[in-house]
Amino acid sequence: AQSVTQLDSQVPVFEEAPVELRCNYSSSVSVYLFWYVQYPNQGLQLLLKYLSGSTLVKGINGFEAEFNKSQTSFHLRKPSVHISDTAEYFCAVSDNAGNMLTFGGGTRLMVKP
Amino acid sequence: DTEVTQTPKHLVMGMTNKKSLKCEQHMGHRAMYWYKQKAKKPPELMFVYSYEKLSINESVPSRFSPECPNSSLLNLHLHALQPEDSALYLCASSQGQGRWEQYFGPGTRLTVT
Repeated sequence: AQSVTQLDSQVPVFEEAPVELRCNYSSSVSVYLFWYVQYPNQGLQLLLKYLSGSTLVKGINGFEAEFNKSQTSFHLRKPSVHISDTAEYFCAVSDNAGNMLTFGGGTRLMVKP
Repeated sequence: DTEVTQTPKHLVMGMTNKKSLKCEQHMGHRAMYWYKQKAKKPPELMFVYSYEKLSINESVPSRFSPECPNSSLLNLHLHALQPEDSALYLCASSQGQGRWEQYFGPGTRLTVT
C-alpha cells in the first residue's frame, strides 16, 4: 500500500517570490510520482512526472520537482510565482503496475500581490 | 493532443431521476477512470476500465453504474442518487503499457436535490 502526505494545506506567498510545496510518500515498491494542478472549477492538469532517470524533473509553467529516494520526497518548486499560479496542487503516486493513483490531501497555493 | 472531454458540464437531478455522464478521449488510451471529488478534497477513485473491461471497482454503491462502450468512450449511469452524492465527477485516461500518467477531463459538477 502507498500513501502520500502533503505537509502544508495552505501556502501563502507574495508574487515573484520562490515557493516550495512539500510532498512525502511511503511505499514498499518502486513508484511513479506526479504533481497535478487544479484551478477553480476545473479538472486536474498534469504539471510534471517522475518515472525514472534524472531525479530533477522539469514541468510546465516553470515548475520543477526533485525526487529524493532516501527521504521519500518529491517536493515541487518554482523560483518566482505569479498571481495566476494560485490553485490547488496535488502530489500523487502510483506503483509500477500503474493502475491506481494515490493522492495527497492537496496544498492550496495562494499568491498575493 | 491530451484532451479528455466530459459532458455535461453541470447537472442537477432529483433523487428519483436517471441520468448519465459521458467522457471521451481520442488519444488511443487504453485505460479510463472515474473519480469523485468533494470540495477541498483530493479525487477519490471509483472505477477503472482497462482495455474496455472493468478492472477496479472501489466498492462504489450500485446507484453508480459505469459503462465502456468502446475504447474512446466511458459513461457513468446515475440512478436514485442521494444529496451526499453531489460532487465534481472527473474522468481520466492513461495510455497503459508502462505509460501511466493520467490525463483528466474538466469534470461534471453534479448536484442532487
